[in-house]
Amino acid sequence: QVQLVESGGGVVQPGRSLRLSCAASGFTFSNYGLHWVRQAPGKGLEWVAVIWYEGINKDYGDSVKGRFTISRDNSKNTMYLQMNSLRVEDTALYYCARARGDSSGYFDFWGQGTPVTVSS
Amino acid sequence: QSVLTQPPSVSGAPGQRVTISCTGSSSNIGAGYDVHWYQQIPGTAPKVLIYGDTNRPSGVPARFSGSKSGTSASLAITGLQAEDEADYYCQSYDSSLSGSVFGGGTRLTVL
Repeated sequence: QVQLVESGGGVVQPGRSLRLSCAASGFTFSNYGLHWVRQAPGKGLEWVAVIWYEGINKDYGDSVKGRFTISRDNSKNTMYLQMNSLRVEDTALYYCARARGDSSGYFDFWGQGTPVTVSS
Repeated sequence: QSVLTQPPSVSGAPGQRVTISCTGSSSNIGAGYDVHWYQQIPGTAPKVLIYGDTNRPSGVPARFSGSKSGTSASLAITGLQAEDEADYYCQSYDSSLSGSVFGGGTRLTVL
């Protein structure tokens, strides 16, 4: 069965960096795009970034562009999110989700999320 | 401010029908991009309820249905049950932003 397991979250000071991981199993990893979606405490869902197949094509939400970098290692069935210059407003639960279809497609499987708290 | 606009809350009694609207613009829903709906029970990850405007994944009851017209989409839930109490989000693609966009979410309360 499809499983997505996020890790790497924690408490970090503003301006510092953190790297999240999303380990996948139960499907052919390189055949799917993968997204990061975040949810601030008590707030709604916000799309963060997407990476496709071999990792060449990527897109980012405006709020993280230039600070976050999405990547993947198909040999390890793992996706990453390198978060630099973290801000208090980046505090959220970060989900990884599998893409179904193309850019306008939907997220058919989600992990349980890893929490990130940015605070001094 | 979300790109897709949803009402913050809706409510209904058991057995009733409720609808949740999702209003976008010419760069997302109005451009013909698919609308997808998710249900999120507090403390859990979102789950897809409707994809491609009107399609239900296997396992989702037929009480849930989706529609789209112009720059808006709607999720309808008939025969409301206590277990439907959750947050609901619409999602689409925006060509101006070159990425996925979500509605702000709607909290459904079953009275």
